[in-house]
Order: sequence, then structure tokens, then C-alpha cells
Amino acid sequence: GAVVSQHPSWVICKSGTSVKIECRSLDFQATTMFWYRQFPKQSLMLMATSNEGSKATYEQGVEKDKFLINHASLTLSTLTVTSAHPEDSSFYICRDGGTDTQYFGPGTRLTVL
Amino acid sequence: GDSVTQMEGPVTLSEEAFLTINCTYTATGYPSLFWYVQYPGEGLQLLLKATKADDKGSNKGFEATYRKETTSFHLEKGSVQVSDSAVYFCALMGLIGKLTFGQGTILTVHP
Repeated sequence: GAVVSQHPSWVICKSGTSVKIECRSLDFQATTMFWYRQFPKQSLMLMATSNEGSKATYEQGVEKDKFLINHASLTLSTLTVTSAHPEDSSFYICRDGGTDTQYFGPGTRLTVL
Repeated sequence: GDSVTQMEGPVTLSEEAFLTINCTYTATGYPSLFWYVQYPGEGLQLLLKATKADDKGSNKGFEATYRKETTSFHLEKGSVQVSDSAVYFCALMGLIGKLTFGQGTILTVHP
């Protein structure tokens, strides 16, 4: 079964609103989570590394004030897209930080109207 | 920085045809190499991996060999099935568990 879950699986929102995406590790504790976004027919681009109990590390070009990441517990990391715009529409995927195994969440499809 | 280059797609094959998807990489040190598959409407799944030079990863009839001399990790399958239709991603894992992905190759297999 799934070891990393995401919620919601899809969301449609109006421009200017904020959307929170949850990523949960189900059978293990994850001190690190990676967040990716995937545009249609394109590859996954790493956005940020979420660290439990500390600030997230963002990749170059990713606005940390727009994509707020919180990793408050060992089983939950959240990504909040603030003041979403149509160009933020994408598929957002989380992954645990393991090096021997990599468990991806099923992804969240965000559509901003 | 680390990078992964996959052959351009899409790739269209008939059932039972031989499949090769090329993948080359640039990395510092000795990364682990992976192939992931993404079926329509689903998340990524690890297909196979290799952690050191000359290792061969294999799963579900797919194989890939870690070639350090050519910095390659080409994916092969001797006889594809319709159910193999998906998007395939080559990736490497560098420092601190970060994965760098190739652009993905869409494979369509016709009966």
C-alpha cells in the first residue's frame, strides 16, 4: 500500500486564494521531505527540501514567500501556495527523503482559474 | 551541477518490440541511478536502480546497466507490452538524497 499520501488529490481554486497541500508519511517517520512540481508533459522540478523542525531549503528561482513549507512533525509536511495565479497550475508531488528507497506521494493537481 | 538527459520522445512501438530509452548523466562523484515509471493518472513508481558502476538494475523485464565510462544508464526491454505504455524518467541521486530527473520519455505500445 501507499506509504506517502497527499491531500487533496486535486483542487481547483480562484486566482488570489491560497491552497494548502498535505503530505503524510504513513508507516515511517520522515525528517526530510522533497517537494516537486511537474508541468504537463515535462519532468519533475525540485522546489524545496522540507526539514522537520527547521526552515525549508528552496531551490534557486523558487519564491519562498509564495510557496510556504511547514514540516511540523515527523509524519506531516505541508506546502501552501499563497495568492495562487493561473501560472501556478501544476502537479505537485512530495517524496520522502530516504536514500535507499524513495516513496513518492500520488501528487496533487492544482488548477487556478 | 547534476543533470540527466533522456532521449527525446515520444516513442511508439508495436507489442513485442525491443525497447531502448537512452539516458546519460553529468554528476559530481558517484551517484546512484534510477528509472521511474509514471502510468497515466498515477504517481511515480521506482522501476529499477543501480548504485555503483557496472551494476545492472532489473525489474518486470526491464534492465539498465550503470556505465561509468560512458556516463549512461540506458533502459531496455526485450519485448514490450501494451501495459508498458507510460512515461519513463531517468534520474540520479546526488548529495543528501536529492533526485535530479531527466525530461521523461513517453512510451506508447500498440497491440
